[in-house]
Amino acid sequence: QLQLQESGPGLVKPSETLSLTCTVSGGSISSSSYYWGWIRQPPGKGLEWIGSIYYSGSTYYNPSLKSRVTISVDTSKNQFSLKLSSVTAADTAVYYCARHMSTTLRAFDIWGQGTMVTVSS
Amino acid sequence: QSALTQPASVSGSPGQSITISCTGTSSDVGGYNYVSWYQQHPGKAPKLMIYDVSNRPSGVSNRFSGSKSGNTASLTISGLQAEDEADYYCSSYTSSSTLAFGGGTKLTVL
Repeated sequence: QLQLQESGPGLVKPSETLSLTCTVSGGSISSSSYYWGWIRQPPGKGLEWIGSIYYSGSTYYNPSLKSRVTISVDTSKNQFSLKLSSVTAADTAVYYCARHMSTTLRAFDIWGQGTMVTVSS
Repeated sequence: QSALTQPASVSGSPGQSITISCTGTSSDVGGYNYVSWYQQHPGKAPKLMIYDVSNRPSGVSNRFSGSKSGNTASLTISGLQAEDEADYYCSSYTSSSTLAFGGGTKLTVL
């Protein structure tokens, strides 16, 4: 069955760029049927959608993060990635990658386990 | 501040039914049938419980149901069980082609 796995540094310094990768296994990221997304959750707080991407590279971003976020896809590696620039302590969170149910920004039906990223010097 | 408004907490006794509300606007909840609900246990990833307002994914108990009236969506859990104790989040597609989440509701089974 389809699985998603986040990977990347668990500690990032303030003002630097956070980089995470989501590896998709058990299925192809190039399927024309799905968007793929990133969501984060600060400790003890709620979920925040970061942005989503289609295999063709079409993207949608949360307006509150858009100036600092880049989401990209590498179909050859069956991966998609998140870059968040100029991070501060407020960007400390568990970061999840997930699959949308279809080619619109509908529900996320499959989630990765999440990876904790701490922003600290 | 979250785009969608949920109560911070709800509680109920085993066997009872509870309802969690999710209030938005005509630009999100009220304008689209793309409301979904997620269950999250501590330290775990969210799990999809309801999509497109009232549809259950395969494997989700029929004790979970969803509905919408105007700008407010609702998740109802009937026959409460101890395992239902968790945080619940709603989300909705918006007219800006974005996705909004609610602030989350902590369900306590007494």
